[in-house]
Amino acid sequence: AQKVTQAQTEISVVEKEDVTLDCVYETRDTTYYLFWYKQPPSGELVFLIRRNSFDEQNEISGRYSWNFQKSTSSFNFTITASQVVDSAVYFCALSEAYGDSWGKLQFGAGTQVVVTP
Amino acid sequence: DTAVSQTPKYLVTQMGNDKSIKCEQNLGHDTMYWYKQDSKKFLKIMFSYNNKELIINETVPNRFSPKSPDKAHLNLHINSLELGDSAVYFCASSQEAFPSGGNTGELFFGEGSRLTVL
Repeated sequence: AQKVTQAQTEISVVEKEDVTLDCVYETRDTTYYLFWYKQPPSGELVFLIRRNSFDEQNEISGRYSWNFQKSTSSFNFTITASQVVDSAVYFCALSEAYGDSWGKLQFGAGTQVVVTP
Repeated sequence: DTAVSQTPKYLVTQMGNDKSIKCEQNLGHDTMYWYKQDSKKFLKIMFSYNNKELIINETVPNRFSPKSPDKAHLNLHINSLELGDSAVYFCASSQEAFPSGGNTGELFFGEGSRLTVL
């Protein structure tokens, strides 16, 4: 069975500090996809990144970076030089890669990030 | 234009009532989904449809009935509402049932419909 664990319930930082969100997953599949979504206070879900299980290259997008380590089943997310607008709940999610299971995202419990000025 | 739109955004109703939430996507996607977010913000898939055909049904009570009149619409009808049905319901769509080529496999979510059952 698939499982996604985000052990950090809430992280509070002061603006400009870096913050790293942990995500650990479990799956028996050899091919799978990992995602991060952002849910700001307004409530919508915003896609941040998708990574497939065969691509362990780390990725950087502006102030966001992701560290995928298959050996430890982790897909961690770092916000560099945090800003107040980064305050949100961040979800890590896992999806099987075959056929009709696509889109069946198994979400973690989410990590609330609070950035204060 | 909103890519995935849901109506209503807020819905307050009494136990035992029947209600519907509508969802429309203008992205030309083949696959649509309903997800439920509970009071602890936990997100769980309920249903998915591909080209109007039910693909995923995650052991949701049969009081919940999705209906897809065409591939751009996926409505959720709930009968005999219970207190535990109070949640935010998210509709989503994706380009196809399986990612390929340059498809990022991104699910585009609507803004959510907050249902409160009193």
